[in-house]
Amino acid sequence: TQLLEQSPQFLSIQEGENLTVYCNSSSVFSSLQWYRQEPGEGPVLLVTVVTGGEVKKLKRLTFQFGDARKDSSLHITAAQPGDTGLYLCAGDERYGQNFVFGPGTRLSVLP
Amino acid sequence: DAGVTQSPTHLIKTRGQQVTLRCSPKSGHDTVSWYQQALGQGPQFIFQYYEEEERQRGNFPDRFSGHQFPNYSSELNVNALLLGDSALYLCASSFGTASYEQYFGPGTRLTVT
Repeated sequence: TQLLEQSPQFLSIQEGENLTVYCNSSSVFSSLQWYRQEPGEGPVLLVTVVTGGEVKKLKRLTFQFGDARKDSSLHITAAQPGDTGLYLCAGDERYGQNFVFGPGTRLSVLP
Repeated sequence: DAGVTQSPTHLIKTRGQQVTLRCSPKSGHDTVSWYQQALGQGPQFIFQYYEEEERQRGNFPDRFSGHQFPNYSSELNVNALLLGDSALYLCASSFGTASYEQYFGPGTRLTVT
């Protein structure tokens, strides 16, 4: 069974600061996805990375897939209170199938 | 364009009882996956339905079963409820069984007492 670890588990920062959260595994994944989940809602897909070394940018969010396709990072520049939420990474064992989720990083951005 | 909808929103059951949760996929989607999210954890894959058949299954006991209807909506059934079944049950829909893009519903919060 493939497992994903995320760090840190909790992160509390001030508005305007930068941060990076990590998603690591000993297994190779076909792709890695990042989701944000807010209380009382389901996860919302932010990005999918499929190529080792790939970097994707979504406004102030930068996602990177490790060269060996075993890890990923999410960097947020100038965090805002609206970025608060649970950030989940998920990898698929086969193309688009059997997604395995990490435990998440709970981010709190204080105004 | 309606997204993924789930019902009920909340549910309280007693140990040993049975429960049925419902999901309607996003318009245009034909595949439904179910996940269990315990408090403080990430979602765990239960199973996936496509063309009214279970196509993939995670590491969950047979007490967890499902069904997909011709209109692509789906039900999750859990028999002989245990306290440990208390969780947020999420439904996700996609187009086809091998899609990177899955859209989640808001979930059903099940509490077993």
